[in-house]
Amino acid sequence: DARVTQTPRHKVTEMGQEVTMRCQPILGHNTVFWYRQTMMQGLELLAYFRNRAPLDDSGMPKDRFSAEMPDATLATLKIQPSEPRDSAVYFCASGPGWVSSYNEQFFGPGTRLTVL
Amino acid sequence: GQQVMQIPQYQHVQEGEDFTTYCNSSTTLSNIQWYKQRPGGHPVFLIQLVKSGEVKKQKRLTFQFGEAKKNSSLHITATQTTDVGTYFCAASNFGNEKLTFGTGTRLTIIP
Repeated sequence: DARVTQTPRHKVTEMGQEVTMRCQPILGHNTVFWYRQTMMQGLELLAYFRNRAPLDDSGMPKDRFSAEMPDATLATLKIQPSEPRDSAVYFCASGPGWVSSYNEQFFGPGTRLTVL
Repeated sequence: GQQVMQIPQYQHVQEGEDFTTYCNSSTTLSNIQWYKQRPGGHPVFLIQLVKSGEVKKQKRLTFQFGEAKKNSSLHITATQTTDVGTYFCAASNFGNEKLTFGTGTRLTIIP
């Protein structure tokens, strides 16, 4: 049963520390997305990759956030330095893209980040 | 950018009652997807609608896409406790895999 995996599942850190979140997309999927979910803002798209190339990171605070795909099996989201307002659940999702007639997204279990 | 609004934000129903959530856009949508997120869980894809006026059913769930492709609805008949969660609509355009998620409707069931 193919699924998206994310590590860590929970992270508590202090303000100013670097945070790295990792995602393994479903094998064969060519699109990867990073989302942030908070009660106030809902589900926000931070960054989006197709075939490992970044296509859109307009939703991401550029000064402190960065997203990369070093290879097809790994996507990373890094926050440096972290701030309390970054506390949220971060979801990674992957999808088959428009190669299929559906472009549904498969979400990982999320990383719950708390910045003190 | 594209905005998708959902109403209501919250809905409390007695078990066995029906439930409906509505999704509205100011622009014409190419397609719309629906996701369900259980409390503490992650969004899970339910269905995609593409055609104007399309209606799809999954057991007790009925999904509709408006004729003008600017709105959509999800109706659950005779709710059960397993229906608890937040239901999101999400819109995208052909050739663009990005999804714009609606604000979500949180459904709670009173046993």
